[in-house]
Amino acid sequence: GAVVSQHPSRVICKSGTSVKIECRSLDFQATTMFWYRQFPKQSLMLMATSNEGSKATYEQGVEKDKFLINHASLTLSTLTVTSAHPEDSSFYICSANRGFLEKLFFGSGTQLSVL
Amino acid sequence: GIQVEQSPPDLILQEGANSTLRCNFSDSVNNLQWFHQNPWGQLINLFYIPSGTKQNGRLSATTVATERYSLLYISSSQTTDSGVYFCATPGNTPLVFGKGTRLSVIA
Repeated sequence: GAVVSQHPSRVICKSGTSVKIECRSLDFQATTMFWYRQFPKQSLMLMATSNEGSKATYEQGVEKDKFLINHASLTLSTLTVTSAHPEDSSFYICSANRGFLEKLFFGSGTQLSVL
Repeated sequence: GIQVEQSPPDLILQEGANSTLRCNFSDSVNNLQWFHQNPWGQLINLFYIPSGTKQNGRLSATTVATERYSLLYISSSQTTDSGVYFCATPGNTPLVFGKGTRLSVIA
């Protein structure tokens, strides 16, 4: 099956710093990747759709200047949480698929803790 | 947008027991996936099942698209089955997730 790698798995940072999370599709090219956010004991909520070579599409209520997404190649998307605050602490998960309506594969997630 | 409801929200099983998890969706779907999120957060694809029945070892799933529901069966449960089970289907976003069923299997 398709493999999606996400790094780092856990990060602790001070309030005000920026954190970059990487998502890679290891054995397929993904023109589109997706970033989800999950609060403790809650479901996954889509934050944004990352499009290779163009701007990301953000869901309603997600601050594009806070969560910067870069999809520089067909196998790599990055999410940068800028000027992180404690309320940004959450579990962030990326995903990708081979094509429209194909099943989604997920990275292992990044637990962000902002002190 | 499409609504996805899962039941039960929580389930505690004795090891070896069987269980059925249910997923209802508010509109017709052409893609339905079941995932298991383990205690470390990893989401594992269980089934891609827009319709019909599939089996994989002790797990099986059935989707009745015309009646807008899907069922996940777990037989002879093991402690390693513990975690949260999500169903998800595309809506206006690539996948809309239910709130999940939190399963605890005790020895």
